[in-house]
Amino acid sequence: QITLKESGPTLVKPTQTLTLTCTFSGFSLSTSGVGVGWIRQPPGKALEWLALIYWNDDKRYSPSLKSRLTITKDTSKNQVVLTMTNMDPVDTATYYCAHITPYGDVAFDIWGQGTMVTVSS
Amino acid sequence: QSVLTQPPSASGTPGQRVTISCSGSSSNIGSNYVYWYQQLPGTAPKLLIYRNNQRPSGVPDRFSGSKSGTSASLAISGLRSEDEADYYCAAWDDSLSAIFGGGTKLTVL
Repeated sequence: QITLKESGPTLVKPTQTLTLTCTFSGFSLSTSGVGVGWIRQPPGKALEWLALIYWNDDKRYSPSLKSRLTITKDTSKNQVVLTMTNMDPVDTATYYCAHITPYGDVAFDIWGQGTMVTVSS
Repeated sequence: QSVLTQPPSASGTPGQRVTISCSGSSSNIGSNYVYWYQQLPGTAPKLLIYRNNQRPSGVPDRFSGSKSGTSASLAISGLRSEDEADYYCAAWDDSLSAIFGGGTKLTVL
């Protein structure tokens, strides 16, 4: 059974760097074809894809946020970490991590419960 | 503003068939697969359709997807009250990024 859980601060100040950790079980990020993605959702708004990382360390970023994002994996700890620099109130959102199936780069079949991050001074 | 365009709302009565459209371009829907997600209130999204028209295990066959050119559609037949949710289309774009539609809020009257 695949599960994922996001963790990190619930409140960050403007200009600070956000670090979120996705801890997963039920699969290994060293297995060919496996990936993990990050998606966020501002309150009452649509989903927005942020980044993804594959078993071979292939990484992709949202073009509009690329300069602010870094995604890494720690295979031994079954974790994926997303950092976002220069946080702004518009970055207030629920942040989800999700498992990517071999069915495609946008095939997020199992999601974490999400973690709400508020950006405020 | 999302690159994939969906109607903000849709509605139907129990038992009806409803469709939700998703319009894109040649760089996303036109050249890549389309995915659909269902998000019930207060929960994480759930993969409903992958690769245009495939259903993951456990998704009822009342849900179906189709794609034609740069547009796609999600159809829900035999509408039920528990189908009331937000629905999102998604696709990979040739700019090497994933994109989601703006979402459609489905109301079961």
